[in-house]
Amino acid sequence: QSALTQPASVSGSPGQSITISCTGTSSDVGGYNYVSWYQQHPGKAPKLMIHDVTNRPSGVSNRFSGSKSGNTASLTISGLQAEDEADYYCSSFTGSSTSVFGTGTKVTVL
Amino acid sequence: EVQLVDSGGGLVQPGGSLRLSCAASGFTFSSYEMNWVRQAPGKGLEWVSYISSGGRSIYYADSVKGRFTISRDNAKNSLYLQMNSLRAEDTAVYYCARYPWGLRAFDIWGQGTMVTVSS
Repeated sequence: QSALTQPASVSGSPGQSITISCTGTSSDVGGYNYVSWYQQHPGKAPKLMIHDVTNRPSGVSNRFSGSKSGNTASLTISGLQAEDEADYYCSSFTGSSTSVFGTGTKVTVL
Repeated sequence: EVQLVDSGGGLVQPGGSLRLSCAASGFTFSSYEMNWVRQAPGKGLEWVSYISSGGRSIYYADSVKGRFTISRDNAKNSLYLQMNSLRAEDTAVYYCARYPWGLRAFDIWGQGTMVTVSS
């Protein structure tokens, strides 16, 4: 199973909005509405930010939103804040309870 | 508090073995599917293995199939990963992660345990 494709880096100024893409195939992203997004700060464990393409777990800021079109999912962070600077990973269900992660995107707040 | 605590990592020679553990607390462990995910130094996340709540359904990434074995002891609220025939490319931080049925996402993660395969 090949990793999902994400841009290596995305940057934005405080208050701006940024979008991170996650491209897979019809066997993963395009085939299921089970795309999730994770935020990881240096030296820390990943944190679930979005599940089932668009749903935010309790406690996650509504500045984070998800969407999907065809084989590409996206994570949008609006009102960018310094604390949003981190690595972000998408993940998709691939059938038979297996999963695949994206290549990861480093978000820099300018 | 819902918590997962990973342990068992360390330095091992190529070809050696190691057993990782993940202790769960604050939730009904036996009701949840579980996974292992790893992250090589400076690299991205890689899904490693899945086990169903009762332990009957198990899956592995191709990169570890035949060398790693996932298991669980619901009476001890614990998840395990037996790693044999270790290679340098298995060097990574290993995380256990909870995988609620119907969510299809990793909602709770352990703090990770570092495995270094080197002579």
